Amino acid sequence: AQSVAQPEDQVNVAEGNPLTVKCTYSVSGNPYLFWYVQYPNRGLQFLLKYITGDNLVKGSYGFEAEFNKSQTSFHLKKPSALVSDSALYFCAVRDLNSGNTPLVFGKGTRLSVIA
Amino acid sequence: SAVISQKPSRDICQRGTSLTIQCQVDSQVTMMFWYRQQPGQSLTLIATANQGSEATYESGFVIDKFPISRPNLTFSTLTVSNMSPEDSSIYLCSVVIGSRYNEQFFGPGTRLTVL
Repeated sequence: AQSVAQPEDQVNVAEGNPLTVKCTYSVSGNPYLFWYVQYPNRGLQFLLKYITGDNLVKGSYGFEAEFNKSQTSFHLKKPSALVSDSALYFCAVRDLNSGNTPLVFGKGTRLSVIA
Repeated sequence: SAVISQKPSRDICQRGTSLTIQCQVDSQVTMMFWYRQQPGQSLTLIATANQGSEATYESGFVIDKFPISRPNLTFSTLTVSNMSPEDSSIYLCSVVIGSRYNEQFFGPGTRLTVL
């Protein structure tokens, strides 16, 4: 079975500082990893994904994530946070060896960027 | 990408009644899913909507409570039956287009409040 852990319920960061939102995963085969963002009263938006290739993946709004196979992690990062980045962030995984299965989501991390 | 619409966008219902949520996609999709997001929680998969056959339900969800239809490749419905206040959630339709390596797209959600 596949699973995702987001160890932090809340991350606070000052505007202009770098941010990291942590994610670790567990799959039996090869992982297919995503980050999504949910702004208040809005739907889920795709940020970035990792299938294969470069471990550093760049996505929307200046976000990037680094795939680390040995640590089974896929942390989301941004060099300089904006107040507008404040939202709920979800890490998700699909096991590529499990056929047409839906994404499994972590519990989410609320990011608060303070001006 | 895909444009996904859900109807209704929100509803307030009385205990014991049922509500049917519609999901319409602007293109044919490979996979279609229904998720629930309870207040302050992550996304939990309810079921995979299969075209022309019974949906595949996750543990803890049953067809009598959440009947699902998918008559074609672009449309699905989820019914929340015999509602109780515990069913108050956001219900999200989600799709994958083409290869299973692609990201999942999410509808805007249906915010359900049961009194």
